[in-house]
Amino acid sequence: GAGVSQSPSNKVTEKGKDVELRCDPISGHTALYWYRQSLGQGLEFLIYFQGNSAPDKSGLPSDRFSAERTGGSVSTLTIQRTQQEDSAVYLCASSLGANNEQFFGPGTRLTVL
Amino acid sequence: AQSVTQLGSHVSVSEGALVLLRCNYSSSVPPYLFWYVQYPNQGLQLLLKYTSAATLVKGINGFEAEFKKSETSFHLTKPSAHMSDAAEYFCAVTQYSSASKIIFGSGTRLSIRP
Repeated sequence: GAGVSQSPSNKVTEKGKDVELRCDPISGHTALYWYRQSLGQGLEFLIYFQGNSAPDKSGLPSDRFSAERTGGSVSTLTIQRTQQEDSAVYLCASSLGANNEQFFGPGTRLTVL
Repeated sequence: AQSVTQLGSHVSVSEGALVLLRCNYSSSVPPYLFWYVQYPNQGLQLLLKYTSAATLVKGINGFEAEFKKSETSFHLTKPSAHMSDAAEYFCAVTQYSSASKIIFGSGTRLSIRP
């Protein structure tokens, strides 16, 4: 497919466990974004990768959250020692450049019990 | 710093009525502006975008938005609402002159009454 893909689509985990969420951006897109959408909330920016530049991590809510992007393509968002308040839909988006429209993936719904 | 304010977390209109979703932005430099739509249980998709080429922007599904610099607004309109328009709508802003992330508004849920 030509769109942004994310896996898994759903993840249920126990409090305290670590989780990894994966994002495959559209081929050729240099910018990649992670957002969090909690129930009844808007889109909360988490982290932004642009090419080979240092990522903008200003939106990560705590040091339990981290993300990496390997080879300028696939990205993994890791949440360590998950808490119930981490339950949300995690959305990934990519774009041709920083100011171009973002194409969103379907999201990963994370539920922390 | 850039920001986006969407007035009204929930808007309800009758089928066939005018849809008006309000968005005001704050930006120290000329912005790029976007409207995204999220249908129930689906991802976000771009409705339309303003990139300084024309102040009136037409998007998909009959939606349009007008950039008004004097009012720092980018309101979304549709002349006649359809039941299928029920969704969450997000306004977003970024700067065209530098590489920066897109800032999203808090969203407006649009309901359509039969």
